[in-house]
Amino acid sequence: DARVTQTPRHKVTEMGQEVTMRCQPILGHNTVFWYRQTMMQGLELLAYFRNRAPLDDSGMPKDRFSAEMPDATLATLKIQPSEPRDSAVYFCASVAEGSKTEAFFGQGTRLTVV
Amino acid sequence: QKEVEQNSGPLSVPEGAIASLNCTYSDRGSQSFFWYRQYSGKSPELIMFIYSNGDKEDGRFTAQLNKASQYVSLLIRDSQPSDSATYLCAVLFSGSARQLTFGSGTQLTVLP
Repeated sequence: DARVTQTPRHKVTEMGQEVTMRCQPILGHNTVFWYRQTMMQGLELLAYFRNRAPLDDSGMPKDRFSAEMPDATLATLKIQPSEPRDSAVYFCASVAEGSKTEAFFGQGTRLTVV
Repeated sequence: QKEVEQNSGPLSVPEGAIASLNCTYSDRGSQSFFWYRQYSGKSPELIMFIYSNGDKEDGRFTAQLNKASQYVSLLIRDSQPSDSATYLCAVLFSGSARQLTFGSGTQLTVLP
């Protein structure tokens, strides 16, 4: 069945290391969102793409975060260098074309930076 | 700034009661509105979506939309302990950006 796939599901890394999270959107969905969720901030929109083009990444700390969509089947979110405050669950969601469509979420990547 | 506001709760209701969850949004041109349920440690799961003014019913869930007031709500009838979760309101904002923005969520506890 169609689903958004995120890898890895869990990641523990040391401060200063590079972290790359991957997302495979549902085939045919042309809009991909990256969210970060913490207890304190809830779901924050970090960046999103439409037809692989970045539309808005204003929610993302530019000095350490980068998001790309090298092809229609892969979106990546990279943190370099990682910091303990980056510890959160990172979700990817995809939406099909059209104004009346639902967003489907991946299972998330739980990142812990120690 | 496109915003979605929810009453943060927590909200507690007894089993069998009606739970009412509310949400307001800032962009008058928005067309698509969603309610997601998120259990602790899980990803958000879509439970309802509504595009037109009025009510939309699906089983025990009713979504209500009032675009003039920029207000959307979710009613859960005959609440069950399994409904205990955080409920997230989301709005797909209008225009070419189509930004999907979430409220902070309302934590619901249904007491047996």
